Amino acid sequence: DTEVTQTPKHLVMGMTNKKSLKCEQHMGHRAMYWYKQKAKKPPELMFVYSYEKLSINESVPSRFSPECPNSSLLNLHLHALQPEDSALYLCASSPNRGINTEAFFGQGTRLTVV
Amino acid sequence: GENVEQHPSTLSVQEGDSAVIKCTYSDSASNYFPWYKQELGKGPQLIIDIRSNVGEKKDQRIAVTLNKTAKHFSLHITETQPEDSAVYFCAPSSDQTGANNLFFGTGTRLTVIP
Repeated sequence: DTEVTQTPKHLVMGMTNKKSLKCEQHMGHRAMYWYKQKAKKPPELMFVYSYEKLSINESVPSRFSPECPNSSLLNLHLHALQPEDSALYLCASSPNRGINTEAFFGQGTRLTVV
Repeated sequence: GENVEQHPSTLSVQEGDSAVIKCTYSDSASNYFPWYKQELGKGPQLIIDIRSNVGEKKDQRIAVTLNKTAKHFSLHITETQPEDSAVYFCAPSSDQTGANNLFFGTGTRLTVIP
């Protein structure tokens, strides 16, 4: 199983809503990532978890709150978002054995903030 | 993160012709050089990668060449097919952090004309 599964595939939320994006992998990977991708732009790194601990936060606003409940799951909690936060949110995982290798990406959640 | 640029930003080729995309990076500590392909509505997927102890790697119609002195590496696609149409990203990184902190290049949209 080399899949990273993201749910939901599409999400529309109001600026006062609270919602969560979910990501799951069963490859035994110990590094997991959240990326944000705007149209016609490259993915931008948001957060990196290594062995279930947050290791990188790329100066992301606090209205985005990541959580790694266990080695297979990664969540992104959303609260009080702005319309400019509308984007494709991608989750990825990699082995994290100290040597950089392939990262596996999910298909993403298309988020629209209204 | 490091400064990563790709050229060209868009590329159109006739089916059967070759395509070359160049990635220039700034961090001299980079030692892992992957290329990702992103099709419409999907997450990026690794198509080929190379490490700094080799100068070239080939996998069927796809090859990557590395010039570490000049800090650039290139993706070569021969005998292009319509299914090669996608956006291609490079994502050079170093092992120093122990996890793939993938900072993507600016992207190249390849269109293969049947």
